[in-house]
Amino acid sequence: KNQVEQSPQSLIILEGKNCTLQCNYTVSPFSNLRWYKQDTGRGPVSLTIMTFSENTKSNGRYTATLDADTKQSSLHITASQLSDSASYICVVSAFNDMRFGAGTRLTVKP
Amino acid sequence: GAVVSQHPSWVICKSGTSVKIECRSLDFQATTMFWYRQFPKQSLMLMATSNEGSKATYEQGVEKDKFLINHASLTLSTLTVTSAHPEDSSFYICSARDPNRVTYEQYFGPGTRLTVT
Repeated sequence: KNQVEQSPQSLIILEGKNCTLQCNYTVSPFSNLRWYKQDTGRGPVSLTIMTFSENTKSNGRYTATLDADTKQSSLHITASQLSDSASYICVVSAFNDMRFGAGTRLTVKP
Repeated sequence: GAVVSQHPSWVICKSGTSVKIECRSLDFQATTMFWYRQFPKQSLMLMATSNEGSKATYEQGVEKDKFLINHASLTLSTLTVTSAHPEDSSFYICSARDPNRVTYEQYFGPGTRLTVT
């Protein structure tokens, strides 16, 4: 069983709408949690990184939350744009060991 | 932000030949680099950890004699796929760790699409 579970697996929304992606993890001990955006055929690009003491981090229209007690994180995208269409990957680190979620494939339609 | 480059961005080779992929950290010295493989609609799978000046550490199930990794300098790691087969066709991504960052941030390269015919 993957130690990082993401939901939904895929999501289609209309341009301008908001959406929230979920990441649940069982990785322990916890070091940090990152959200990456990966465009098709490209490498992942970091959106946010949060350590144990942080419970929210924003990067433009992207806002990530972290509940270390329940081991849950979410990525909220506001006012979606066509360019937001990509895979969003949650990565949880236990010191030097990174665990990847399978990703959520987001499609933003006009 | 830090930049990691990969070369080539895509390559087509025939079965049985070898192909080399380069990963460079452009504005920081990376003592550790990582190589990943990604199949369509799947997440990244770590293949090996490359440490400058020492042998790479391979993940279970990854053949070290097939996927040769050389971390010759603090800014360059290479992955050589030897005797390539069609099943080696995949998207290969490297990342480099910036040791000067407290959170040990990793920066990913843009990936290399390998197609073996």
